[in-house]
Amino acid sequence: DTAVSQTPKYLVTQMGNDKSIKCEQNLGHDTMYWYKQDSKKFLKIMFSYNNKELIINETVPNRFSPKSPDKAHLNLHINSLELGDSAVYFCASSQAGQALTFGSGTRLTVV
Amino acid sequence: QQQVKQSPQSLIVQKGGISIINCAYENTAFDYFPWYQQFPGKGPALLIAIRPDVSEKKEGRFTISFNKSAKQFSLHIMDSQPGDSATYFCAGEHTGNQFYFGTGTSLTVIP
Repeated sequence: DTAVSQTPKYLVTQMGNDKSIKCEQNLGHDTMYWYKQDSKKFLKIMFSYNNKELIINETVPNRFSPKSPDKAHLNLHINSLELGDSAVYFCASSQAGQALTFGSGTRLTVV
Repeated sequence: QQQVKQSPQSLIVQKGGISIINCAYENTAFDYFPWYQQFPGKGPALLIAIRPDVSEKKEGRFTISFNKSAKQFSLHIMDSQPGDSATYFCAGEHTGNQFYFGTGTSLTVIP
């Protein structure tokens, strides 16, 4: 009964390719997020959606596009992948005033 | 800018010792301060959290001390165990479900 599940767990791809990461939560939370964790472990917010509406869009290249078909799903599409996009991407969800629940991460390696 | 500053970056403690991780924040609008624990290959998981109306919260071997006037809070792990070896993140959150993370502390507990 995974609360926040994201797929795939590992993604190895060549520069210039387009890839997607999917996320689903079964907690009934209203807000979903994408975080990027770099090699130094720093967690950087990328996007936040509340009830399918974008509420946070940090300075992220427009090659990254989130899509939320409903409040339980938030997918991340990345165009024209670059070496610097290699990182671990975490999906998370929360309810107002409560802590984030993270997925297990997608390790993206661009070669 | 870094809204939550965390130190130390790494910490080595003997089994049975006390581990202390410190965080400082600038944004007085923060009203929720969670700590997350992350094991290698896993997503961060909520460990313990505090709201600014209390000065201390204890759950088992884990205690948060909170100093509102100094805008500082810390995590104390009593009787540290090798299984506590992980990366710890503090965070601040304000209305709108916006979470800001510290840079993380890598804790190693030596048997």
